[in-house]
Amino acid sequence: NAGVMQNPRHLVRRRGQEARLRCSPMKGHSHVYWYRQLPEEGLKFMVYLQKENIIDESGMPKERFSAEFPKEGPSILRIQQVVRGDSAAYFCASSPPNEDTEAFFGQGTRLTVV
Amino acid sequence: DAKTTQPPSMDCAEGRAANLPCNHSTISGNEYVYWYRQIHSQGPQYIIHGLKNNETNEMASLIITEDRKSSTLILPHATLRDTAVYYCMRKGIQGGSEKLVFGKGTKLTVNP
Repeated sequence: NAGVMQNPRHLVRRRGQEARLRCSPMKGHSHVYWYRQLPEEGLKFMVYLQKENIIDESGMPKERFSAEFPKEGPSILRIQQVVRGDSAAYFCASSPPNEDTEAFFGQGTRLTVV
Repeated sequence: DAKTTQPPSMDCAEGRAANLPCNHSTISGNEYVYWYRQIHSQGPQYIIHGLKNNETNEMASLIITEDRKSSTLILPHATLRDTAVYYCMRKGIQGGSEKLVFGKGTKLTVNP
């Protein structure tokens, strides 16, 4: 059973471009969480999704950021018109539907905006 | 708001037990205590979780006080590879917060 897969591992974008980050959860996992980690800082929750539904997006910036988890395919975190301040590591985690089980994290996508 | 309190840093000698404390005095009955760690800039790694009873797995032991207001993660024989930031968190069930909220954690340094 493969772990949580994130791609790309590294992404470089120029200011104003769009960044699309993908997360394939572990098999059987229907819950996905996205976190952002700025350099030398802790992990900040962004959004929690279940298949086709956004459950909690309280940590997501209101503008330029969006997330989806379609019925088929990976979860996508999309950042439009990137700015230098978006440079960070973005981690995805997944968990099964059971409420008392752990979430497993991917190795992250490191976004650099130049 | 992580709603847990941990010391910012700790040191431990290689081969000795590392005991990492966590205070979660406002924990509610439908919240588990979870521990994760992050080695350098890798993705966080799950360690262990518990509700009321003490738990043990191949990585660590979790001791939860009877009133559930605090817990201790024990790495029985710390190695240099255990150097990491350790996060203690609360995660709810049945109407509790379903997301992990990371605080600043404890930076554990295992010394040779």
